Order: sequence, then C-alpha cells, then structure tokens
Amino acid sequence: NAGVMQNPRHLVRRRGQEARLRCSPMKGHSHVYWYRQLPEEGLKFMVYLQKENIIDESGMPKERFSAEFPKEGPSILRIQQVVRGDSAAYFCASSPAGDSNQPQHFGDGTRLSIL
Amino acid sequence: DAKTTQPNSMESNEEEPVHLPCNHSTISGTDYIHWYRQLPSQGPEYVIHGLTSNVNNRMASLAIAEDRKSSTLILHRATLRDAAVYYCILSGVGGYNKLIFGAGTRLAVHP
Repeated sequence: NAGVMQNPRHLVRRRGQEARLRCSPMKGHSHVYWYRQLPEEGLKFMVYLQKENIIDESGMPKERFSAEFPKEGPSILRIQQVVRGDSAAYFCASSPAGDSNQPQHFGDGTRLSIL
Repeated sequence: DAKTTQPNSMESNEEEPVHLPCNHSTISGTDYIHWYRQLPSQGPEYVIHGLTSNVNNRMASLAIAEDRKSSTLILHRATLRDAAVYYCILSGVGGYNKLIFGAGTRLAVHP
C-alpha cells in the first residue's frame, strides 16, 4: 500500500514566483489536510478538503494561498507571489473519513525554500 | 479549542519503558485523544488514539485516566528510533478531525 505521496520533496522558488505543492492521498482516502511547519516551530493546520470541496480553510492565509482537491488527481496547495516568510515544510495528510476517530496518515512533506 | 499540556522534554535509556504524560483538563465528552510523533526531517506519524478505555497496538499503549483529564503514552521498550517529538492532541474540533498540534515532548533515547 502506497502511503501519502507528496511532490516535490524540495522546491526552490524566487520571490514573486508561484509554488505548487502536490499531495496524492492514500488509496481510498477522500479527506485531505494540509499543515505548515515554519523553521523551529510547530505544525499548524492550514486547510481541510474533501473531494471537490473545501471544508475548513481557517488556517490558510487570506491572500496568495489556495488549495483544491479535484475529483480526479492530487490535491494542490498553491502559493502565488511567494515571499521569504513562506519558506517552510508543508505536510499533507489523508484519512478515509472525516470524523475524529480517524487517524491521519502524513506524507514526508515538501520543503519550500524562497530565495 | 481544548488544549493539552506536555513536558517540553524527557529522556530515557534504550530498552527501558517510557511514560509520556499529557494533561487535558478541558477535554469534552466527544474528544478523542490522539498521539502522533515526528522524527527528524520526517512527517508526523500516527501512534495511537483512544476515547475512554486503555488502548494497545504494536507501537505503544495508551492509558487514559478515569476522568479523562489526563493520559499517558507508554513505550514499552524504547529504542534509538523512538527519539522524536511526541504530540498529544485532542481530536474533535469542529466535529471533524482537525489536528491542533502543540509543542509536544521531545524524547531523547540514550544507548
């Protein structure tokens, strides 16, 4: 069983460029969560999506950040016009259902560096 | 949001049991207690979770106090690979599985 796959593992962007982070959930999982870990800080919830729906984006910055989980294909976290403060590790997790009795399975993250 | 309190760090020797405590005095009746760990340069890894009864799996045991205001993660025989940051999280915020991570406990395991 393949786990949660995130790509790329490392991404370097210059200020002002766009960053696209991809997450393929585990087979059979239709619930995806994105978390961000700034250097030397803890993990922060960003957004929770089901197929084609954003359920909770309360942790996502209001500007420049967007997320989607289409009917087909991976979930995408998109950061437009990146700034140095966006440098972080971005983790995706998936679960088969959204109730609180479900463990989340995490990928190994995308480490985003902004030059 | 219901919060948890954990010691910042703990130490153990290899092959000894480790008891990682967590206080969650404001837990609600529907909150599950989840434990995750994060090894260096990796994503978080699910360890165990429970609601009221003690739980065992191949990785660890979870002991939950009768009043549910505290719990303890038990690693029966620590190995060097168990050195990680351990997070105790109450799941159920908003009625779904949104994880609010605290600072966790950094566990060091000595050979």
